Amino acid sequence: QKEVEQNSGPLSVPEGAIASLNCTYSDRGSQSFFWYRQYSGKSPELIMSIYSNGDKEDGRFTAQLNKASQYVSLLIRDSQPSDSATYLCAVLPPGFGNEKLTFGTGTRLTIIP
Amino acid sequence: DTAVSQTPKYLVTQMGNDKSIKCEQNLGHDTMYWYKQDSKKFLKIMFSYNNKELIINETVPNRFSPKSPDKAHLNLHINSLELGDSAVYFCASSTSRLAENIQYFGAGTRLSVL
Repeated sequence: QKEVEQNSGPLSVPEGAIASLNCTYSDRGSQSFFWYRQYSGKSPELIMSIYSNGDKEDGRFTAQLNKASQYVSLLIRDSQPSDSATYLCAVLPPGFGNEKLTFGTGTRLTIIP
Repeated sequence: DTAVSQTPKYLVTQMGNDKSIKCEQNLGHDTMYWYKQDSKKFLKIMFSYNNKELIINETVPNRFSPKSPDKAHLNLHINSLELGDSAVYFCASSTSRLAENIQYFGAGTRLSVL
């Protein structure tokens, strides 16, 4: 089983709709979770971090964490064409310091105008 | 000013050659990383240095040798390049002084081995 799993997509969403991206992880003791966005040919950039169960909102982005079910999701409201990118879920597994961030394979999101 | 900068941006070379990629960060971070991203976009940690000391070495062939002359720099030297080394290599940095591990990435070096 992969440590961090994401649906690779592509996920196509109409402009203005809600895009929902999901991620599951294997290490139950993981405490820190991140969503990075990567445009084609560019480097990953952090868009959300979440550490506690529940929802965390930042503008059009909402991260949701459920440690009991070992999943973390990212909702993008009012999707814009500029949201088209690959979204990488990253998890800090237990037993390490802050060094070993483990990434999923990413979900490619396309917003259709 | 670029926070994490790596050079060169593109590197095209022949099999068997030796090449280096340089990385510098001006964020005052104490931890730096090298990642490899393959053609399927999978981003995998290779090395991590904290205060110039190697703390993670993820089963990378010993043809890859990182070197950290100081906290702000982490270079990657690759000997005897192979076709399978073709990928994008990202440098990143973070601070261990915070509980969060927000890593900041450089623009990447696209390595093509012919």
